[in-house]
Amino acid sequence: DQQVKQNSPSLSVQEGRISILNCDYTNSMFDYFLWYKKYPAEGPTFLISISSIKDKNEDGRFTVFLNKSAKHLSLHIVPSQPGDSAVYFCAASPLRGNEKLTFGTGTRLTIIP
Amino acid sequence: DAGVTQSPTHLIKTRGQQVTLRCSPKSGHDTVSWYQQALGQGPQFIFQYYEEEERQRGNFPDRFSGHQFPNYSSELNVNALLLGDSALYLCASSLELAGASYEQYFGPGTRLTVT
Repeated sequence: DQQVKQNSPSLSVQEGRISILNCDYTNSMFDYFLWYKKYPAEGPTFLISISSIKDKNEDGRFTVFLNKSAKHLSLHIVPSQPGDSAVYFCAASPLRGNEKLTFGTGTRLTIIP
Repeated sequence: DAGVTQSPTHLIKTRGQQVTLRCSPKSGHDTVSWYQQALGQGPQFIFQYYEEEERQRGNFPDRFSGHQFPNYSSELNVNALLLGDSALYLCASSLELAGASYEQYFGPGTRLTVT
């Protein structure tokens, strides 16, 4: 039972354009959502998070949007840069931080120079 | 400031053997979680240790066990290895302070291959 789904295994975007990565979840108990970025041979790196009491959170080039009624979140990267090429994982937990994270299967983002 | 470190980097074991993986948390962190990432999948939660006790456990058999030491470092033990245990094992650390919890930071992982 895949509680967190990333339906696009890969995405290619031109440098300078906007990258939009999507994530859907099924468990209504999830209250906190995170995006992690993973380069080969490295562990996932925390990127940005959002609590269910918000519908948007921004950090520099990265913005996460949450639509609770649709159980959908998205990560926007603008402008996209070559260093953004990585695998992006969406994760969810019942509480912020120390509760176990449930991850999606990831989306490989490739930025084309 | 040292991040999360894991050892060894790679490991090859034979089916039926036992393995121990090690993790040192980020400086100042007191909670350690272990995840298994199979090829093409997202990380799956195995268990979490806090104050030297297993606090939460995911859907993994008892062959998977762990330990946390007084210095907050942790070990993951897997007994009776199966071919399906081949995966990247990730350790994540975080800080719990006065009821507030903070984001988990991941180590680079240990790649386990079972033949």
